[in-house]
Amino acid sequence: DGGITQSPKYLFRKEGQNVTLSCEQNLNHDAMYWYRQDPGQGLRLIYYSQIVNDFQKGDIAEGYSVSREKKESFPLTVTSAQKNPTAFYLCASSISPTRLQPQHFGDGTRLSIL
Amino acid sequence: QKEVEQNSGPLSVPEGAIASLNCTYSDRGSQSFFWYRQYSGKSPELIMFIYSNGDKEDGRFTAQLNKASQYVSLLIRDSQPSDSATYLCAVNIPSGNTGKLIFGQGTTLQVKP
Repeated sequence: DGGITQSPKYLFRKEGQNVTLSCEQNLNHDAMYWYRQDPGQGLRLIYYSQIVNDFQKGDIAEGYSVSREKKESFPLTVTSAQKNPTAFYLCASSISPTRLQPQHFGDGTRLSIL
Repeated sequence: QKEVEQNSGPLSVPEGAIASLNCTYSDRGSQSFFWYRQYSGKSPELIMFIYSNGDKEDGRFTAQLNKASQYVSLLIRDSQPSDSATYLCAVNIPSGNTGKLIFGQGTTLQVKP
């Protein structure tokens, strides 16, 4: 089945620890995105990538890092610099980065502080 | 003013009624508009998108766009209890050929049997 796979579903982070969230897609989409959702809030853009080996900061990039070494994969690292990481993290992709293309989401990863 | 605004609700309608969800946006250059449904604890699911002024129908769902007034709405006909969810409006804020997708905070819909 074609889709976007995020793992793990649940993740716990200790103080001072970096953690990496996985996002893989087999839709052959060029563009990939990471969002953060806090309770009762809309989605906020962390990072996005329009093409392999290129990515841009979104609105809340501080404390996060990404890489895009393969078209299929866009992992997100939540670093220890992110002081309030507890949230629902959503990865999305679209066929191309043009403004008319809809984005489709994976099932998400819930990150909590231990 | 927020870039994309929705009434958080909850909006409560009886089963079989029409549910009307509204969204306003601030950037007049926006060209694409999306509605996502999000069940509690789940990820958003795309249900409609619209690019041109007017109505676009898909089954029980109708998206309406009025660029002059800067609002987009979603009508759900014959509402069912399974439609109970949070509906997120997303608007593409242009930046060159791409742009960012900005989400409203969502409207919670409750369909009562």
